[in-house]
Amino acid sequence: DAGVIQSPRHEVTEMGQEVTLRCKPISGHDYLFWYRQTMMQGLELLVYFNNKAVMDDSGMPKDRFSAKMPNASFSTLKIQPSEPRDSAVYFCASSFYRLNTEAFFGQGTRLTVV
Amino acid sequence: AQTVTQSQPEMSVQEAETVTLSCTYDTSESDYYLFWYKQPPSRQMILVIRQEAYKQQNATENRFSVNFQKAAKSFSLKISDSQLGDAAMYFCAYRVGDSNYQLIWGAGTKLIIKP
Repeated sequence: DAGVIQSPRHEVTEMGQEVTLRCKPISGHDYLFWYRQTMMQGLELLVYFNNKAVMDDSGMPKDRFSAKMPNASFSTLKIQPSEPRDSAVYFCASSFYRLNTEAFFGQGTRLTVV
Repeated sequence: AQTVTQSQPEMSVQEAETVTLSCTYDTSESDYYLFWYKQPPSRQMILVIRQEAYKQQNATENRFSVNFQKAAKSFSLKISDSQLGDAAMYFCAYRVGDSNYQLIWGAGTKLIIKP
């Protein structure tokens, strides 16, 4: 397996524009996580899915962020409208629904909102 | 509340020396797994080592070992014979045995290796 695949690797956009981040988890994994990493806040969990259903999205600003998982092999995180404070690295990770397994991370998307 | 505390925002060590990164956690669960991840400048998150809470024996992976003190809820990472390639952010995390199997993360420790 190629691992967790995220696209794009880098995104620069203007304030107010819509941004869509994409993730393909490892085949067979039940869980998919979206994290945001900044220097100030560390690694924040935005939302996670179990078998395509949202388990917890309490970390996600719902007025501008939305996350979807239409099938087991694809997820999106959308920001509309984007703001400069959204500038961060966004990670997608996936894992099995088991206690003893780690989460596997994608390479991350570095988002810059100017 | 389930939390992970990494009290050292930054650590530095001379190449070839040994360094220990601290991690404490708080959970009321009895069944959980603990993890250390490494994030080098490439920003890829890589699993370094894992420990099952029910196991007394400390996990070891080559130059990396842990000191797991369950009663004290402490899970420190020891890196022996430090190498330049060990320079990275290190994150401590645990996965709880409740129905959601959430991962709880620490804030990270930046490790600097001095040549």
